[in-house]
Amino acid sequence: AQSVTQLDSQVPVFEEAPVELRCNYSSSVSVYLFWYVQYPNQGLQLLLKYLSGSTLVKGINGFEAEFNKSQTSFHLRKPSVHISDTAEYFCAVSDQWNFNKFYFGSGTKLNVKP
Amino acid sequence: DVKVTQSSRYLVKRTGEKVFLECVQDMDHENMFWYRQDPGLGLRLIYFSYDVKMKEKGDIPEGYSVSREKKERFSLILESASTNQTSMYLCASSPLQGTYEQYFGPGTRLTVT
Repeated sequence: AQSVTQLDSQVPVFEEAPVELRCNYSSSVSVYLFWYVQYPNQGLQLLLKYLSGSTLVKGINGFEAEFNKSQTSFHLRKPSVHISDTAEYFCAVSDQWNFNKFYFGSGTKLNVKP
Repeated sequence: DVKVTQSSRYLVKRTGEKVFLECVQDMDHENMFWYRQDPGLGLRLIYFSYDVKMKEKGDIPEGYSVSREKKERFSLILESASTNQTSMYLCASSPLQGTYEQYFGPGTRLTVT
């Protein structure tokens, strides 16, 4: 089974500053990788996903993530954050041979300050 | 757009009550999931279903059961609610093939007193 680690439970950042949210997973087997965002009192919304191909993936709202197979990481980045990016972000991993089973990280709360 | 709806956004129940959480999806997805979300623990899978009347246990099925009588509807049942089942419950669906992502409902925040 996979395990997914999001090392930072909270990340405070000022508006217009860059941000990186870290995600590492345990297994080096072929994987699909996802980042979801959850705004207060809402469900999860897909930000971006890596299935295959280019290791740099672009998503909605200006976010991007880079798949690093050797480091088993899938860090999320944004060059300039807005107040509206304040939310909780979840990394998720599934194995390509059992892609219905998702393993979620514990989440990172991004707090953007004015 | 895929739409996953959950019957209640907020629910307050008493210890020992039988609780039903309903989830409906409108995109003809084969797979449906129930997760529980707790602070610092992320999302944990309770049950999932890959077809009508089919179900499989997830990581934390104890104290829960599920029902899937129609393809679009997946119900989570707490047979006898307890205070440690106070949580956010999220339903999701996904197609058998194609996008590989899961689509989530808005969640039900259940409080058991």
